[in-house]
Amino acid sequence: EVQLVDSGGGLVQPGGSLRLSCSASGFTFGNYWMNWVRQAPGKGLEWVANIDRDGTSKYYVDSVKGRFTISRDNAKTSVFLQMNNLRADDTAVYYCVRGDWAPFDCWGQGTLVAVSS
Amino acid sequence: DIVMTQSPDSLAVSLGERATINCKSSQSLLSTSNYKNYLAWYQQKPGQPPKLLISWASIRESGVPDRFSGSGSGTDFTLSIGSLQAEDVAVYYCQHYYNAPLTFGGGTKVEI
Repeated sequence: EVQLVDSGGGLVQPGGSLRLSCSASGFTFGNYWMNWVRQAPGKGLEWVANIDRDGTSKYYVDSVKGRFTISRDNAKTSVFLQMNNLRADDTAVYYCVRGDWAPFDCWGQGTLVAVSS
Repeated sequence: DIVMTQSPDSLAVSLGERATINCKSSQSLLSTSNYKNYLAWYQQKPGQPPKLLISWASIRESGVPDRFSGSGSGTDFTLSIGSLQAEDVAVYYCQHYYNAPLTFGGGTKVEI
Protein backbone atom coordinates (compact mmCIF):
# COMPACT_ATOMS: atom_id res chain seq x y z
CA GLU A 1 0.00 0.00 0.00
CA VAL A 2 1.32 3.43 -0.94
CA GLN A 3 1.57 5.47 2.26
CA LEU A 4 2.95 8.78 3.49
CA VAL A 5 3.16 9.49 7.22
CA ASP A 6 3.73 13.10 8.26
CA SER A 7 5.11 14.06 11.64
CA GLY A 8 6.89 16.82 13.53
CA GLY A 9 4.17 19.43 13.90
CA GLY A 10 3.46 21.28 17.12
CA LEU A 11 3.16 24.63 18.84
CA VAL A 12 6.04 27.04 18.33
CA GLN A 13 6.58 30.71 19.13
CA PRO A 14 6.97 33.31 16.40
CA GLY A 15 10.54 33.33 15.17
CA GLY A 16 11.03 29.71 16.18
CA SER A 17 11.92 26.65 14.13
CA LEU A 18 10.38 23.29 13.43
CA ARG A 19 11.36 20.32 11.27
CA LEU A 20 8.65 18.25 9.62
CA SER A 21 9.26 14.69 8.47
CA CYS A 22 7.44 12.43 6.08
CA SER A 23 8.08 8.71 5.86
CA ALA A 24 7.11 6.97 2.62
CA SER A 25 6.37 3.33 1.95
CA GLY A 26 4.80 1.12 -0.67
CA PHE A 27 6.49 2.67 -3.70
CA THR A 28 9.95 3.36 -5.12
CA PHE A 29 10.56 6.62 -3.29
CA GLY A 30 13.57 7.69 -5.33
CA ASN A 31 11.53 7.70 -8.54
CA TYR A 32 9.31 10.60 -7.47
CA TRP A 33 9.46 14.30 -6.80
CA MET A 34 7.97 15.10 -3.41
CA ASN A 35 6.01 18.14 -2.23
CA TRP A 36 4.75 19.90 0.87
CA VAL A 37 1.30 21.49 0.69
CA ARG A 38 -0.29 23.42 3.56
CA GLN A 39 -3.77 24.44 4.58
CA ALA A 40 -4.43 27.20 7.08
CA PRO A 41 -7.42 26.62 9.39
CA GLY A 42 -10.63 26.99 7.40
CA LYS A 43 -8.73 28.03 4.27
CA GLY A 44 -7.72 26.55 0.93
CA LEU A 45 -4.68 24.62 -0.20
CA GLU A 46 -1.28 26.22 -0.78
CA TRP A 47 1.67 24.43 -2.38
CA VAL A 48 4.81 25.17 -0.35
CA ALA A 49 7.79 23.41 -1.92
CA ASN A 50 8.98 20.47 -3.95
CA ILE A 51 12.17 18.54 -4.48
CA ASP A 52 13.38 16.39 -7.35
CA ARG A 53 14.27 12.71 -7.23
CA ASP A 54 17.87 13.10 -6.07
CA GLY A 55 17.46 16.31 -4.07
CA THR A 56 19.24 18.51 -6.57
CA SER A 57 16.38 20.78 -7.69
CA LYS A 58 14.07 22.52 -5.25
CA TYR A 59 11.28 25.05 -5.72
CA TYR A 60 9.47 27.17 -3.15
CA VAL A 61 6.47 29.47 -2.96
CA ASP A 62 7.65 33.05 -2.55
CA SER A 63 6.28 33.43 0.99
CA VAL A 64 8.65 30.78 2.40
CA LYS A 65 11.80 31.41 0.35
CA GLY A 66 14.79 31.94 2.59
CA ARG A 67 12.96 30.54 5.64
CA PHE A 68 12.00 26.97 4.66
CA THR A 69 14.24 24.25 3.26
CA ILE A 70 13.03 21.00 1.73
CA SER A 71 15.33 17.98 1.72
CA ARG A 72 15.14 14.22 1.34
CA ASP A 73 16.93 11.02 2.28
CA ASN A 74 16.22 8.36 -0.31
CA ALA A 75 17.93 5.66 1.77
CA LYS A 76 15.42 6.34 4.55
CA THR A 77 12.55 7.04 2.09
CA SER A 78 11.88 10.31 3.85
CA VAL A 79 11.34 13.94 2.98
CA PHE A 80 11.77 16.85 5.36
CA LEU A 81 10.76 20.48 5.70
CA GLN A 82 12.97 22.64 7.89
CA MET A 83 11.01 25.73 8.86
CA ASN A 84 12.84 28.69 10.39
CA ASN A 85 11.74 32.16 11.48
CA LEU A 86 8.16 30.97 11.69
CA ARG A 87 5.34 33.49 11.54
CA ALA A 88 1.71 33.39 12.62
CA ASP A 89 0.61 33.07 9.02
CA ASP A 90 2.57 29.81 8.70
CA THR A 91 -0.02 28.20 10.99
CA ALA A 92 -1.53 25.35 8.99
CA VAL A 93 -1.84 21.64 8.49
CA TYR A 94 1.15 20.57 6.43
CA TYR A 95 0.74 17.65 4.02
CA CYS A 96 3.51 15.60 2.45
CA VAL A 97 2.47 14.80 -1.13
CA ARG A 98 3.81 12.65 -3.95
CA GLY A 99 3.87 14.21 -7.40
CA ASP A 100 6.47 15.14 -9.99
CA TRP A 101 4.99 17.78 -12.26
CA ALA A 102 2.02 15.48 -12.28
CA PRO A 103 -1.22 15.14 -10.32
CA PHE A 104 -0.79 14.73 -6.58
CA ASP A 105 -1.95 11.16 -6.22
CA CYS A 106 -0.84 10.37 -2.67
CA TRP A 107 -1.16 12.59 0.40
CA GLY A 108 -0.06 12.17 3.99
CA GLN A 109 -2.59 12.61 6.75
CA GLY A 110 -1.14 16.01 7.65
CA THR A 111 0.64 17.47 10.67
CA LEU A 112 -0.51 20.65 12.40
CA VAL A 113 1.90 23.54 12.88
CA ALA A 114 0.67 26.30 15.19
CA VAL A 115 2.72 29.48 15.52
CA SER A 116 1.67 31.51 18.53
CA SER A 117 3.09 33.23 21.59
CA ASP B 1 2.71 32.87 -11.40
CA ILE B 2 -0.37 31.14 -12.79
CA VAL B 3 -3.52 32.20 -10.95
CA MET B 4 -6.35 29.68 -10.66
CA THR B 5 -9.84 31.14 -10.24
CA GLN B 6 -12.71 28.88 -9.27
CA SER B 7 -16.41 29.64 -9.40
CA PRO B 8 -18.71 29.57 -7.63
CA ASP B 9 -17.35 29.70 -4.08
CA SER B 10 -20.22 27.51 -2.92
CA LEU B 11 -23.00 25.54 -4.54
CA ALA B 12 -26.19 23.97 -3.20
CA VAL B 13 -27.55 21.14 -5.32
CA SER B 14 -30.45 18.77 -4.78
CA LEU B 15 -29.75 15.04 -4.54
CA GLY B 16 -29.65 13.55 -8.03
CA GLU B 17 -29.13 16.89 -9.69
CA ARG B 18 -26.04 18.03 -11.61
CA ALA B 19 -23.31 20.16 -10.08
CA THR B 20 -20.91 22.17 -12.22
CA ILE B 21 -17.73 23.85 -10.99
CA ASN B 22 -15.61 26.13 -13.13
CA CYS B 23 -11.90 26.80 -13.02
CA LYS B 24 -10.03 29.41 -15.03
CA SER B 25 -6.26 29.74 -15.26
CA SER B 26 -4.42 32.96 -16.00
CA GLN B 27 -2.21 31.17 -18.55
CA SER B 28 -2.79 28.22 -20.83
CA LEU B 29 -2.19 24.85 -19.19
CA LEU B 30 -1.98 23.06 -22.54
CA SER B 31 1.50 21.83 -23.29
CA THR B 32 2.56 22.23 -26.90
CA SER B 33 4.98 19.32 -26.54
CA ASN B 34 2.54 16.61 -25.47
CA TYR B 35 -0.86 18.31 -25.99
CA LYS B 36 -1.86 17.58 -22.40
CA ASN B 37 -3.58 20.00 -20.04
CA TYR B 38 -1.72 20.17 -16.71
CA LEU B 39 -4.89 20.45 -14.60
CA ALA B 40 -6.20 18.29 -11.76
CA TRP B 41 -9.32 18.24 -9.59
CA TYR B 42 -9.38 17.19 -5.92
CA GLN B 43 -12.14 16.46 -3.43
CA GLN B 44 -11.64 17.24 0.26
CA LYS B 45 -13.97 16.14 3.02
CA PRO B 46 -13.71 17.57 6.57
CA GLY B 47 -10.75 16.28 8.53
CA GLN B 48 -9.29 14.44 5.55
CA PRO B 49 -6.50 15.18 3.09
CA PRO B 50 -7.56 15.95 -0.49
CA LYS B 51 -8.28 13.09 -2.83
CA LEU B 52 -7.32 13.17 -6.50
CA LEU B 53 -10.39 12.83 -8.72
CA ILE B 54 -9.36 13.96 -12.19
CA SER B 55 -5.95 14.38 -13.80
CA TRP B 56 -4.86 15.89 -17.12
CA ALA B 57 -8.17 17.81 -17.12
CA SER B 58 -10.35 14.84 -18.01
CA ILE B 59 -8.83 11.52 -16.86
CA ARG B 60 -10.81 10.04 -13.99
CA GLU B 61 -8.71 8.27 -11.35
CA SER B 62 -9.24 4.59 -10.72
CA GLY B 63 -12.14 4.03 -8.33
CA VAL B 64 -13.69 7.45 -8.85
CA PRO B 65 -17.39 7.12 -9.72
CA ASP B 66 -18.24 7.88 -13.33
CA ARG B 67 -20.65 10.63 -12.26
CA PHE B 68 -17.50 12.77 -11.90
CA SER B 69 -16.18 14.18 -15.17
CA GLY B 70 -13.69 16.83 -16.17
CA SER B 71 -13.57 18.86 -19.34
CA GLY B 72 -11.94 21.90 -20.87
CA SER B 73 -8.63 22.92 -22.36
CA GLY B 74 -6.22 25.82 -22.35
CA THR B 75 -7.48 28.19 -19.68
CA ASP B 76 -11.06 27.10 -19.00
CA PHE B 77 -11.99 23.90 -17.22
CA THR B 78 -15.07 22.32 -15.67
CA LEU B 79 -15.73 19.61 -13.10
CA SER B 80 -19.19 18.10 -13.34
CA ILE B 81 -20.91 15.80 -10.87
CA GLY B 82 -23.62 14.16 -12.94
CA SER B 83 -26.05 13.06 -10.24
CA LEU B 84 -25.15 14.40 -6.82
CA GLN B 85 -25.03 11.89 -3.99
CA ALA B 86 -24.92 12.64 -0.26
CA GLU B 87 -21.31 11.46 -0.07
CA ASP B 88 -20.26 14.09 -2.62
CA VAL B 89 -20.67 16.89 -0.08
CA ALA B 90 -17.14 18.29 0.07
CA VAL B 91 -14.88 21.10 -1.06
CA TYR B 92 -13.48 20.74 -4.56
CA TYR B 93 -10.21 22.28 -5.75
CA CYS B 94 -8.60 22.65 -9.13
CA GLN B 95 -4.82 22.77 -9.39
CA HIS B 96 -2.29 23.31 -12.12
CA TYR B 97 1.02 21.45 -12.24
CA TYR B 98 2.41 23.19 -15.32
CA ASN B 99 5.28 24.99 -13.57
CA ALA B 100 6.34 26.39 -10.21
CA PRO B 101 4.66 27.61 -8.17
CA LEU B 102 1.99 24.97 -8.49
CA THR B 103 -1.20 26.70 -7.46
CA PHE B 104 -4.70 25.72 -6.40
CA GLY B 105 -8.02 27.39 -6.97
CA GLY B 106 -9.76 28.82 -3.94
CA GLY B 107 -12.13 25.89 -3.63
CA THR B 108 -15.84 25.31 -4.18
CA LYS B 109 -17.98 24.02 -1.34
CA VAL B 110 -20.72 21.67 -2.57
CA GLU B 111 -23.72 21.18 -0.30
CA ILE B 112 -27.07 19.49 -0.54
